[in-house]
Amino acid sequence: DQQVKQNSPSLSVQEGRISILNCDYTNSMFDYFLWYKKYPAEGPTFLISISSIKDKNEDGRFTVFLNKSAKHLSLHIVPSQPGDSAVYFCAASARTGTASKLTFGTGTRLQVTL
Amino acid sequence: EADIYQTPRYLVIGTGKKITLECSQTMGHDKMYWYQQDPGMELHLIHYSYGVNSTEKGDLSSESTVSRIRTEHFPLTLESARPSHTSQYLCASSEAGFRTTDTQYFGPGTRLTVL
Repeated sequence: DQQVKQNSPSLSVQEGRISILNCDYTNSMFDYFLWYKKYPAEGPTFLISISSIKDKNEDGRFTVFLNKSAKHLSLHIVPSQPGDSAVYFCAASARTGTASKLTFGTGTRLQVTL
Repeated sequence: EADIYQTPRYLVIGTGKKITLECSQTMGHDKMYWYQQDPGMELHLIHYSYGVNSTEKGDLSSESTVSRIRTEHFPLTLESARPSHTSQYLCASSEAGFRTTDTQYFGPGTRLTVL
């Protein structure tokens, strides 16, 4: 049973426009969420995170929104740039003592076109 | 951000060979992790460590083994590689502590192909 779901395997956005990547989760114990970006043949790069005590976190062009009641989070990229073309993974962790295991979604491939 | 290194980046070997995938980090992070990822799929945790001489199996069963003799080093070993082990292996680390230290930083990965 997949606890973190990214239902859109791919997304195409024009340069300069907003990219919105979505993520849903089922485990109500998750309280910390992260977004990673991954280029082919490279490891994931941390982008931005949000704690469940917040509903929004912003870092430059990247903003993450969290809707706890809907168990949904989204990543907004504004404005989108060609270099943003990559696979984006949503991840979540639950408070279990000192554990910090992450559960990942299957990723969304973003293509930013000129 | 962590500096974390993996070698080799690519490895093609025959069935039955013993291999070790290396992972080192220079940030002094206590926690280290190994993930396995197939194309188009999510990352699956196969091993993790909370410090020297601490190793645990992850959520996905794996025939590989790990060791943590030094803080900075977390190698993964396959005693007898099989084609089913073909995958990308990603190493990550994070600081000890709680909550904001859940952020894991990844190495570049090793793409393993077993013929």
